[in-house]
Amino acid sequence: DAKTTQPNSMESNEEEPVHLPCNHSTISGTDYIHWYRQLPSQGPEYVIHGLTSNVNNRMASLAIAEDRKSSTLILHRATLRDAAVYYCILRDGTGNQFYFGTGTSLTVIP
Amino acid sequence: NAGVMQNPRHLVRRRGQEARLRCSPMKGHSHVYWYRQLPEEGLKFMVYLQKENIIDESGMPKERFSAEFPKEGPSILRIQQVVRGDSAAYFCASSPNTGLIPNGYTFGSGTRLTVV
Repeated sequence: DAKTTQPNSMESNEEEPVHLPCNHSTISGTDYIHWYRQLPSQGPEYVIHGLTSNVNNRMASLAIAEDRKSSTLILHRATLRDAAVYYCILRDGTGNQFYFGTGTSLTVIP
Repeated sequence: NAGVMQNPRHLVRRRGQEARLRCSPMKGHSHVYWYRQLPEEGLKFMVYLQKENIIDESGMPKERFSAEFPKEGPSILRIQQVVRGDSAAYFCASSPNTGLIPNGYTFGSGTRLTVV
């Protein structure tokens, strides 16, 4: 699985949109882009995943660059409960494991 | 529908003792994965098991660590003769299968092991 690069930390005001970037310049054609988040003292929680097209679900949106070398997780209205570490992970469709980096620690300011 | 259940949530062991961490996967899930998270770091893969089989143990330390997923009962991660460096959060995840469904796993809340 290819590596990803994320900023160590970001801040957002409550009820404003948040764009969390991720670079994955060595992504291969079969790698899926996954996002998980980890709240304090909890296990990682699935957020969203995609391959080539932008994706939306009830939690977030995933915007994938046309060349797939980067992606952005979009939280449309940040709440205090969204404060967490967000991990961008690449996974081959047949891979057994996820490779977690250190993620982006999101702070939401009331 | 209960999620992935891990117990205990917190475990304290003295150096040299054994630690047993349990993981019950979600109902209908037959694949279990163990990850370790050291303080201030991301999760690191340890082992992937299916019922009665170890599929991938490439992330397991060569000594003192073992894992099993018996036909009946939870998956067990066993650490013998624990040392201070084993202090970490250990997370279990489960999935209904692997590869064919790329949307990933469901994680438990973890067991926080402290070696004193």
